[in-house]
Amino acid sequence: QKEVEQNSGPLSVPEGAIASLNCTYSDRVSQSFFWYRQYSGKSPELIMSIYSNGDKEDGRFTAQLNKASQYVSLLIRDSQPSDSATYLCAVNRGGNQGGKLIFGQGTELSVKP
Amino acid sequence: DAMVIQNPRYQVTQFGKPVTLSCSQTLNHNVMYWYQQKSSQAPKLLFHYYDKDFNNEADTPDNFQSRRPNTSFCFLDIRSPGLGDTAMYLCATSRDPGGPGEAFFGQGTRLTVV
Repeated sequence: QKEVEQNSGPLSVPEGAIASLNCTYSDRVSQSFFWYRQYSGKSPELIMSIYSNGDKEDGRFTAQLNKASQYVSLLIRDSQPSDSATYLCAVNRGGNQGGKLIFGQGTELSVKP
Repeated sequence: DAMVIQNPRYQVTQFGKPVTLSCSQTLNHNVMYWYQQKSSQAPKLLFHYYDKDFNNEADTPDNFQSRRPNTSFCFLDIRSPGLGDTAMYLCATSRDPGGPGEAFFGQGTRLTVV
């Protein structure tokens, strides 16, 4: 079982729609959860972080965390063609030695005009 | 304003010829990570430092070594690159374990082994 799992996609949504991206993780002691956006050939860019159960909203982005189900999601409202990228879910167990930030394989999102 | 800087951006090296990639940061973060990312794959953690303490991943080949001479700099040494080491190498930093663990990435070094 992979530590962090995502559907690889591609996920295709029309412009203006809601894109829903999902992630599950295996280690119950994980404390911090992140969504990164990665454009082709570029490095990952942090777009959302979430640490406690529930929803966290930032502009068009909403992250949702359910620790009991070991599930993290990202909703993108009013999707734009510029949102087309690979979205990486990352999990950090925290603790000593800086923790360990582990990534899922990413979900490719395509927003069609 | 660049906070995590990797050099070079692109590197071509011959099979078996040692290569060093560098990373510097102005964030004064305790933790520095090195990841390998191959095409269409997740970033794979190679190792990380918490201050000077080195943490190697169990499946990182011995061919990969790292040095962190001070807080600001970290190096990735590939002693004898193979064709399979062609990848993007990503450096990231984060604050100490008492913090949230958000990691910030450099631009990456795209390594091609020929």
